Amino acid sequence: QQQVKQSPQSLIVQKGGISIINCAYENTAFDYFPWYQQFPGKGPALLIAIRPDVSEKKEGRFTISFNKSAKQFSLHIMDSQPGDSATYFCAANGGGGSNYKLTFGKGTLLTVNP
Amino acid sequence: GAGVSQTPSNKVTEKGKYVELRCDPISGHTALYWYRQSLGQGPEFLIYFQGTGAADDSGLPNDRFFAVRPEGSVSTLKIQRTERGDSAVYLCASSLLAGVGTQYFGPGTRLLVL
Repeated sequence: QQQVKQSPQSLIVQKGGISIINCAYENTAFDYFPWYQQFPGKGPALLIAIRPDVSEKKEGRFTISFNKSAKQFSLHIMDSQPGDSATYFCAANGGGGSNYKLTFGKGTLLTVNP
Repeated sequence: GAGVSQTPSNKVTEKGKYVELRCDPISGHTALYWYRQSLGQGPEFLIYFQGTGAADDSGLPNDRFFAVRPEGSVSTLKIQRTERGDSAVYLCASSLLAGVGTQYFGPGTRLLVL
């Protein structure tokens, strides 16, 4: 059972455009939703995270939108740059005694063309 | 070092052999996690340490996998009688406290079982 579903699998955007990646979760006990960025040959690095008590969080060009009732959250990358080309993973944790265990989506390969 | 380090960066072994993968967490981080990332997938939780003890090993796929953290810092993931299906990137992460704050990932060990 996949607890965090991520789409699209891949995304191509022109420089300066907006990249949007979507995730949906099933476990209503999840209470922490991070996005990780991973470059080839590197480990995932935290990009931005949100808790369900807010509907939006913005850090620079990166924004998370969160819809608790729909159990969905999305990452928006404004003014996308070639350097943003990477694989992006949404994740979630929480749920009683398992608040340390991150559950990841399958990832989105983002390519930003110059 | 400033971040999580993992050695070796790459490991090629033959089916049936024993391997050890090492993780050096960020200094002072009490929580340590192992994840496994198969090609084209997001990381999957294997085991979590709080201090020296394995607080949750529910993600270990079978009894060929074992991990230790004898002094509450460095951890070793051990795989006995390796199988081709064990080929993946093994990621280690650490956080200051369990369930609190960011999990910082290392670059991973790429294991290939021939």
